[in-house]
Amino acid sequence: EPEVTQTPSHQVTQMGQEVILRCVPISNHLYFYWYRQILGQKVEFLVSFYNNEISEKSEIFDDQFSVERPDGSNFTLKIRSTKLEDSAMYFCASSEGTGEQFFGPGTRLTVL
Amino acid sequence: GQSLEQPSEVTAVEGAIVQINCTYQTSGFYGLSWYQQHDGGAPTFLSYNALDGLEETGRFSSFLSRSDSYGYLLLQELQMKDSASYFCAVRDLPGNQFYFGTGTSLTVIP
Repeated sequence: EPEVTQTPSHQVTQMGQEVILRCVPISNHLYFYWYRQILGQKVEFLVSFYNNEISEKSEIFDDQFSVERPDGSNFTLKIRSTKLEDSAMYFCASSEGTGEQFFGPGTRLTVL
Repeated sequence: GQSLEQPSEVTAVEGAIVQINCTYQTSGFYGLSWYQQHDGGAPTFLSYNALDGLEETGRFSSFLSRSDSYGYLLLQELQMKDSASYFCAVRDLPGNQFYFGTGTSLTVIP
């Protein structure tokens, strides 16, 4: 069964450093997403990506964040200058544009 | 802004039925989804309602009333493995994005 994959599973970084989180969505899906979840809290929408461009982003997705689909399979989230409050689980998801999204296992980002 | 409210915790007995409610206030609305999340895991899709009424998928059913901005997830024949967090999520356009509720932690007891 196809699945969304994410790497790394855990990333530790120093405050102010750049990180890139990687995702491989399900191959025939058209919409790609990044969400984050701070420990014990709800899942928060960051950005959706369709037809090689951002289709929607939340207030959280400010200038320090960027997304890219560098080739036909990978989908990345870059955080330019990490802050302590960026520590969270970051989930990638993909969908065919229906009410069902498929989530990856997540990357736990720890900013020290 | 987006606001989706759910009860924070629910406890129910194995074999019983439990209902988890969701009320929402969102700027746009194209449907309501439900996701299950076990500790440390990813959200997994359970059910989706675009129109008013009840959708049934095995032991899980979901209901939507768009006029009341309200939905619920019904879990029947509860099993211990159903202990998890449950999130409602409103689907919106143009990005087909989802805004998640506050989440309900369900504990199933013997």
